[in-house]
Amino acid sequence: AQKVTQAQTEISVVEKEDVTLDCVYETRDTTYYLFWYKQPPSGELVFLIRRNSFDEQNEISGRYSWNFQKSTSSFNFTITASQVVDSAVYFCALSVWSGGGADGLTFGKGTHLIIQP
Amino acid sequence: DVKVTQSSRYLVKRTGEKVFLECVQDMDHENMFWYRQDPGLGLRLIYFSYDVKMKEKGDIPEGYSVSREKKERFSLILESASTNQTSMYLCASTTPALAANVLTFGAGSRLTVL
Repeated sequence: AQKVTQAQTEISVVEKEDVTLDCVYETRDTTYYLFWYKQPPSGELVFLIRRNSFDEQNEISGRYSWNFQKSTSSFNFTITASQVVDSAVYFCALSVWSGGGADGLTFGKGTHLIIQP
Repeated sequence: DVKVTQSSRYLVKRTGEKVFLECVQDMDHENMFWYRQDPGLGLRLIYFSYDVKMKEKGDIPEGYSVSREKKERFSLILESASTNQTSMYLCASTTPALAANVLTFGAGSRLTVL
């Protein structure tokens, strides 16, 4: 069985600070995919990034960056120079191939990020 | 853009009522999913479907059933609603076969059972 742990339930920072959201995963599969989704107050989950288990390159997209480390089973998400619009709940998720198809995603419990002006 | 539309954003039902939550996607996706979101528990998979008339139980199927009569529509059914089913329900869809595929979510249906 798969498991995703987001130990930080809520983080509050002041605008322009950098913030890192932690994600630790567990799986026995060697092929898997990791995701981050953002859920703004409107409620709809928005896809941010996908990473496969064979690609440990870090990725940067504007103010967002992701650090994938298989050695520690972690896939952390950093927002640089945070803005109020970054306030949301962020979910880390894991997907494995079950042979019959993707059985959806296993989600962490989410981290509520609050950016104060 | 892929659209996943959930027919009701907010519903209030009484204990014992039969509740239908409807989800429609317009991108010909084979796979559809129903999740439930609760504070402190994240998203939990209720049911999913690979194809028309096919369904698979997720992690928390008790008290729920689903229907997939057409490819674009996936309905979640609460046969006899209970107060512990008060929650946010999220529908999602994706193309099949690859764990890599991104799920596209609807905006959610917030159900309150009194």
